[in-house]
Amino acid sequence: EVHLVESGGGLVQPGMSLRLSCAASGFTFDDYAMFWVRQVPGKGLEWVSSITWHSHNIDYADSVKGRFTVSRDNAKKSLYLQMNSLKTEDTAFYYCVKGGLIRGYFEAWFESWGQGTLVTVSS
Amino acid sequence: QSVLTQPPSVSGAPGQRVTFSCTGSSSNIGAGYVVHWYQQLPGTPPKLLLFGNNNRPSGVPDRFSGSKSGTSASLAITGLQAEDEADYYCQSYDTTLSGFVFGTGTKVTVL
Repeated sequence: EVHLVESGGGLVQPGMSLRLSCAASGFTFDDYAMFWVRQVPGKGLEWVSSITWHSHNIDYADSVKGRFTVSRDNAKKSLYLQMNSLKTEDTAFYYCVKGGLIRGYFEAWFESWGQGTLVTVSS
Repeated sequence: QSVLTQPPSVSGAPGQRVTFSCTGSSSNIGAGYVVHWYQQLPGTPPKLLLFGNNNRPSGVPDRFSGSKSGTSASLAITGLQAEDEADYYCQSYDTTLSGFVFGTGTKVTVL
């Protein structure tokens, strides 16, 4: 069974940094693209970032480009999101998501979701 | 802001059929990218409902079906049940944005 466990969320002040981690288990981690998706409580879903199985393709939403950095460690079966220069509008639940297509990317679906970690940016 | 537009809400009585759309453009759905659908029950993470336009993961009832035509896609729920009351999101890829996009979300209410 696929398990994705996010950690690293919390309360930070605007302009500060935070690093999210996602520990994966139950599947061959280095066969799948991984994603970060966020959701402001009570609002819709927003794709944040994605990274292919070999880290050759990395993309970001315009809203976080230049501030967030996604990475993965296939040996540790872990996904990361380094968030710098945080803004109040970054406040949201952040979900770690496993792609659904082996070695796929553009056509991949968001197959398995973690429970999410809450990031609150406030002074 | 979302580039895939969905109606904010739809409703139906138990047993009825409801459908709703996901409208995109020539840079996403119209460019040939597949559409996926997610169901989010209150207080829980989203769950994959349909992938590749109309494929159901194991465990998803065949009451759920999807279709795609031109720059739009649709989700249909037949034999509506109380447990189907949730938020539903479509998702695809957008070449102009070079990223993945979600729909605005549709809240399904069972009367």
